[in-house]
Amino acid sequence: DADVTQTPRNRITKTGKRIMLECSQTKGHDRMYWYRQDPGLGLRLIYYSFDVKDINKGEISDGYSVSRQAQAKFSLSLESAIPNQTALYFCATSDPTGTGAYEQFFGPGTRLTVL
Amino acid sequence: GNSVTQMEGPVTLSEEAFLTINCTYTATGYPSLFWYVQYPGEGLQLLLKATKADDKGSNKGFEATYRKETTSFHLEKGSVQVSDSAVYFCALSDQRYSSASKIIFGSGTRLSIRP
Repeated sequence: DADVTQTPRNRITKTGKRIMLECSQTKGHDRMYWYRQDPGLGLRLIYYSFDVKDINKGEISDGYSVSRQAQAKFSLSLESAIPNQTALYFCATSDPTGTGAYEQFFGPGTRLTVL
Repeated sequence: GNSVTQMEGPVTLSEEAFLTINCTYTATGYPSLFWYVQYPGEGLQLLLKATKADDKGSNKGFEATYRKETTSFHLEKGSVQVSDSAVYFCALSDQRYSSASKIIFGSGTRLSIRP
């Protein structure tokens, strides 16, 4: 079974709708992240969380919110979806107690289309 | 601020050709450097990493050496295969945010290998 899972894998919605993307992990990592990927722009950080009580904005948090329901679960919400939020969304985790390289482990992604 | 610049794609090669994907970085301090790979329809996977100057990361026939004097981390493979077709991301861990394990990604280089 995958260590980092995301649901749904694909979603098509309409402008103005509220959307929730979910991420679960079995790696036991405290740190979790949400990114969006757009063609030619690489990955951009939306939100990150050190633990259940610690949530921080990334570089492009406007229009998004998150919830860390448990160590293993980190959800991303679009309160009122707009077309320029059409993108591929990735969840990731990391373990700060490892090698110190701060590598991250990614889920398979959610492809979101806002019409 | 810290940043990563990698060669633009797409890169198209014939099977068994030699591969180089250039990556340079700008950073204060001593970041860790990574190459991630994204196969079609999947999330990012860590390909290799290096945590200090002159370290060589290697995996699956790919290599990259952390060159502090040229601020580079070029990815190389001596003989590529069709199965290497993917998008490759150079990245660094931003030590200014060591408590957040923040990673900065390049924009990605799409590699296609012809049989």
